[in-house]
Amino acid sequence: DVKVTQSSRYLVKRTGEKVFLECVQDMDHENMFWYRQDPGLGLRLIYFSYDVKMKEKGDIPEGYSVSREKKERFSLILESASTNQTSMYLCASSLAGPYGYTFGSGTRLTVV
Amino acid sequence: DAKTTQPPSMDCAEGRAANLPCNHSTISGNEYVYWYRQIHSQGPQYIIHGLKNNETNEMASLIITEDRKSSTLILPHATLRDTAVYYCIVRAPPHQFYFGTGTSLTVIP
Repeated sequence: DVKVTQSSRYLVKRTGEKVFLECVQDMDHENMFWYRQDPGLGLRLIYFSYDVKMKEKGDIPEGYSVSREKKERFSLILESASTNQTSMYLCASSLAGPYGYTFGSGTRLTVV
Repeated sequence: DAKTTQPPSMDCAEGRAANLPCNHSTISGNEYVYWYRQIHSQGPQYIIHGLKNNETNEMASLIITEDRKSSTLILPHATLRDTAVYYCIVRAPPHQFYFGTGTSLTVIP
């Protein structure tokens, strides 16, 4: 089975800190994605990547950046964490084409 | 991508078939129908997808109407572990998945 691993299940950070969320997949998937999930708003796409060193903005990229230096790893960076970035962050990966996504278990980030 | 409409909640008795409907009347010819589910506090789990034909896998069956304007996800023998939010999404690759609010399925003992 494809496995998508997110580095932390729970994270607490202070306002203004630079935060790194790591995601690793083990099945050579081309595509990787970062979503955040908030009550009443569903899942919203932050960034995605079709290939190494490529990135595309999703619906809500403001305040975030990403890095994909290796095919298996996709990092989400909060440049200066703010309280409105408190959320559940979900990473996903997929093969290119009409395939479903495999999601990680999520990182629940709290910014205080 | 086409918009989907799902009932906000449904109940199903344990051991019975759960039939989850989805309307996607504006679906385009190149858009697939996908189903995911999300159990509380976990990431969404891919279940099944199809374009025109009905599909079946070890988890569920997907029935797509001939005009493709609606579909039904069938869990043949629902268990308590199937209690989750189920999302129906239509999407034309390589566009992304946009998750709505889904159907909250409760399997009752």
